[in-house]
Amino acid sequence: DGGITQSPKYLFRKEGQNVTLSCEQNLNHDAMYWYRQDPGQGLRLIYYSQIVNDFQKGDIAEGYSVSREKKESFPLTVTSAQKNPTAFYLCASSPWEHDYEQFFGPGTRLTVL
Amino acid sequence: QKEVEQNSGPLSVPEGAIASLNCTYSDRVSQSFFWYRQYSGKSPELIMSIYSNGDKEDGRFTAQLNKASQYVSLLIRDSQPSDSATYLCAVKPAGGTSYGKLTFGQGTILTVHP
Repeated sequence: DGGITQSPKYLFRKEGQNVTLSCEQNLNHDAMYWYRQDPGQGLRLIYYSQIVNDFQKGDIAEGYSVSREKKESFPLTVTSAQKNPTAFYLCASSPWEHDYEQFFGPGTRLTVL
Repeated sequence: QKEVEQNSGPLSVPEGAIASLNCTYSDRVSQSFFWYRQYSGKSPELIMSIYSNGDKEDGRFTAQLNKASQYVSLLIRDSQPSDSATYLCAVKPAGGTSYGKLTFGQGTILTVHP
């Protein structure tokens, strides 16, 4: 089945630790995205990547880092510099020609203890 | 002012009624508008897109766009309990640098009760 997978589903982190969230897609999509969702709020764009080895900051990139070494993979690292990392993180991908038609993974719920 | 603002919820309608979800946006040059549905604890899925003024119908769903008023809405006819979800309005600005950059509203929670 084609789709987007994210792991882990739930993640607990101690303050001061970096954590990496995994995102893999087998839809052959060129573009990939990371969003953050807080309770009662919409999605906010963290980073996005249109092609391999290239990515751009979104609206709330501070405290996060990404890499895009393979077309299928777009991991997100939440660093200790992110002041309020507890949130629901969603990865998405889209075909190049329809960047608005974003397919989302199941999400990772990160909790900082 | 928020870039994309949705009518505050939660919205509760009886089964079989019409649910009306509203969204306003601040960027006058925005060109593309989308509605995503998100079930509780799940990820969003695209259900409607609209680009031109007027109505666009897809089954029980109708999207309405009025660019002069910077307003987009989603009507759900014959609402079913399975329509209970959060509905997210998303806007894509015009311009070459806007690739993939959707701006989402905060969402409206819809509950359809039997």
